[in-house]
Amino acid sequence: KAGVTQTPRYLIKTRGQQVTLSCSPISGHRSVSWYQQTPGQGLQFLFEYFSETQRNKGNFPGRFSGRQFSNSRSEMNVSTLELGDSALYLCASSLMGQGVETQYFGPGTRLLVL
Amino acid sequence: GENVEQHPSTLSVQEGDSAVIKCTYSDSASNYFPWYKQELGKRPQLIIDIRSNVGEKKDQRIAVTLNKTAKHFSLHITETQPEDSAVYFCAAIRGYGGGADGLTFGKGTHLIIQP
Repeated sequence: KAGVTQTPRYLIKTRGQQVTLSCSPISGHRSVSWYQQTPGQGLQFLFEYFSETQRNKGNFPGRFSGRQFSNSRSEMNVSTLELGDSALYLCASSLMGQGVETQYFGPGTRLLVL
Repeated sequence: GENVEQHPSTLSVQEGDSAVIKCTYSDSASNYFPWYKQELGKRPQLIIDIRSNVGEKKDQRIAVTLNKTAKHFSLHITETQPEDSAVYFCAAIRGYGGGADGLTFGKGTHLIIQP
């Protein structure tokens, strides 16, 4: 099976712009979670989607949003970008999103905000 | 919410020696504890995990132990090799039927294997 894929792999944006990142889960996986990784804060949970519904959300401002499509592919959007949004954004998929399931990570999208 | 503390932040060991990384968690409802290895520029990859109904799990040179009473779990790597050099993250999650809160990660341990 193909692994989790993410596009684009690298992005450069300027403050105030918005950005959309895409994640395709492993075939058959219905849960997609998003994480932000920075040197200072480490890996932090953004939100989780299952069957096109956001089930859980981490402690991030409303500028961070997402959605999931009927084929389980997911997108996340960040509006009004700030310098502090520069990070590696990782998505992870699992079969049903049960907490005890393994989450498989994609390669990430590295976002640089200038 | 859950809080996971991980120590040490950097660990340097001689090739062939053992390495131990320790994590503590705060939410007694957490019941799944995976460990991920992340090499420079690559995605986190699961190396071993343990569920709260098990005290220890082993996979070749890697083992994980869990003490639910003390709320801590540890990663043990024996006979370390150069390819073990990476950043290791512990995580905890409160899983239940239908949805989960997301993994809470420790800050990571940079493991350096000295030749």
